[in-house]
Amino acid sequence: DAMVIQNPRYQVTQFGKPVTLSCSQTLNHNVMYWYQQKSSQAPKLLFHYYDKDFNNEADTPDNFQSRRPNTSFCFLDIRSPGLGDAAMYLCATSIRTSGSYEQYFGPGTRLTVT
Amino acid sequence: SQQGEEDPQALSIQEGENATMNCSYKTSINNLQWYRQNSGRGLVHLILIRSNEREKHSGRLRVTLDTSKKSSSLLITASRAADTASYFCAPSAYNTDKLIFGTGTRLQVFP
Repeated sequence: DAMVIQNPRYQVTQFGKPVTLSCSQTLNHNVMYWYQQKSSQAPKLLFHYYDKDFNNEADTPDNFQSRRPNTSFCFLDIRSPGLGDAAMYLCATSIRTSGSYEQYFGPGTRLTVT
Repeated sequence: SQQGEEDPQALSIQEGENATMNCSYKTSINNLQWYRQNSGRGLVHLILIRSNEREKHSGRLRVTLDTSKKSSSLLITASRAADTASYFCAPSAYNTDKLIFGTGTRLQVFP
């Protein structure tokens, strides 16, 4: 089945130690998103790619970066994780065609910072 | 930003009862989407209603949209314990790929 896959599902990192979360998709969608979701809060958009065009949200900290080497993969890099970066990170995809707007989400990666 | 705000924040009902959640937003939209999130999981798209539609059905789900009041409601009929989840609305503006999710309604359905 076509899907959005996130690895790992659980990630523990140390304060200040760089960490990379990965997302892959078999849907061949041209838009990929990264969201941060803290406990009992709404998912907050960090950035998204339309093909290779990177779109950063104005309030996304510089500590968060992303790479999209090809259509299928997208990575979230946290350069120096702080305790406040502990959250669920959600990857999503969509296809930018007329009349199609829904997003397809992966299961998420729960990040713990110790 | 085009964030929706859901009401109520939490809702507890018995199986078989109907659940209604409301969403309000601030600016013009192209469409409004509803998503469900089971605890600790990703979001699942439920239904999309376009700005020129007033009502839409999908199985036990009924969504209404009132653009004059900038509000939408999601009705789940004959609820089941498996409907226990958080429900988010996401208004979407024109010419954007972005969704800005609302604060969500946590629904608990007791057997």
